[in-house]
Parts: sequence; structure tokens; C-alpha cells
Amino acid sequence: QLQLQESGPGLVKPSETLSLTCTVSGGSISSSSYYWGWIRQPPGKGLEWIGSMYYSGSTYYNPSLKSRVTISVDTSKNQFSLKLSSVTAADTAVYYCARSYDSSGYYYDAFDIWGQGTMVTVSS
Amino acid sequence: QSALTQPPSVSGSPGQSVTISCTGTSSDVGSYNRVSWYQQPPGTAPKLMIYEVSNRPSGVPDRFSGSKSGNTASLTISGLQAEDEADYYCSSYTSSRDVVFGGGTKLTVL
Repeated sequence: QLQLQESGPGLVKPSETLSLTCTVSGGSISSSSYYWGWIRQPPGKGLEWIGSMYYSGSTYYNPSLKSRVTISVDTSKNQFSLKLSSVTAADTAVYYCARSYDSSGYYYDAFDIWGQGTMVTVSS
Repeated sequence: QSALTQPPSVSGSPGQSVTISCTGTSSDVGSYNRVSWYQQPPGTAPKLMIYEVSNRPSGVPDRFSGSKSGNTASLTISGLQAEDEADYYCSSYTSSRDVVFGGGTKLTVL
């Protein structure tokens, strides 16, 4: 049974870089037709897609965050990571990693397996 | 990239049916059969309930159904149960190769 687990600092200072890792267990991150993504949810607010990637390295980002976001994969560790630079209080949120599947291997919009989420607070 | 539009809240009594709408544009909902719906009880991660407009993942009760007309998608929950009380979010693939979510709808079971 595939599981995802986010890890990383719960507190980040303004202007610094937020770094999170998602560890995939019970399956391979290199499986075809699967994409791996990050979604966040500010306290009391809705969901926001951050970006998604394929294990080969293709990445797709939310245009509103694109200048600050990097998503990368480490297939040897079965992990993928999120880096968000120049953070402000507006980046305070629960960050989720999730898997999306599409038989054609083209789409990455339907997230069928989610991690439990990790709260990241941006504060000095 | 604008969020999809959902009603902030809906409610219904046990056994009744409720429908949640999700309005987008011709660049997302209207152009792709790539609408998903998620259920999120308080303090938990979202759960995929519907994908590709009307498909249910394994394990999701058939009380949940999805449809689309033009730029608006809908989630219908029939035979409402107390356990259905949660926030519901729609999402769609877009022509910019993005994913956009709706603002969320709080379902209250009276």
C-alpha cells in the first residue's frame, strides 16, 4: 500500500527558503503514469496547487509561484522535494505531497494518494 | 490562474440529496474532462472522491456522483449521511497545463 510522508522544518524565517521532502513507501517513485505533486493549504483557507513532476524530471508549476519554486526528485531514495524561496508570512500553510495517476501519462491533476500534511509557519 | 467558483456552504438532512457546483471557464472546466472532487473532514488530508468529471475511485460509495455542463461541474451526494459532513473541493486541469482548485464548500448535515 503506497504511503507518502512529508518531512522538514516546521518554522522558517521570512526571506529564507522553505525545504520539504516527501518519502514514498510501498511503491516506486519511478513508476510510469504517475506524477508527484505538492499542494498547500493556509490555515482556514482552501487548497492551492504548487506544482507537479514526473520522475524523469519534467516539472510543472503554479504560475503565481513559479519564480520561487523548485520541485526535484531523488529516485535512489524514493523521495521528491519542494523548495520555496524568499518566503513570507503568506506562505504559512499545511503542505501536502500527493500522487496523481493518469493512464496516458500526460495529466497530473487528480491526486489519489496524499500524505498527512506538515504545517510550516513563516515567522521570525 | 483564477480559482474555480464554489458556493461557500450547502446543507441537507440525512437521506436527502445535495449538489455542489464548481464554475470555471472555457480554459479549464469547459475544455477538459479533467475535473476532480475531494472530501476533507476537519484536520485531515483531502480524499479523492471523483476524477475525470464522473469516475469514482475504488472504495468511494456510489452515492457520490459527478457531472459537467459547459463551464460548470457538479458533485451530487445522494442519501446524505452524517459522515458526509466535510469540506469539498473541486479542481480542474487548465489550458496552461496548470491545476486550479475551487475555494471549497462546507457541507453541513442537519
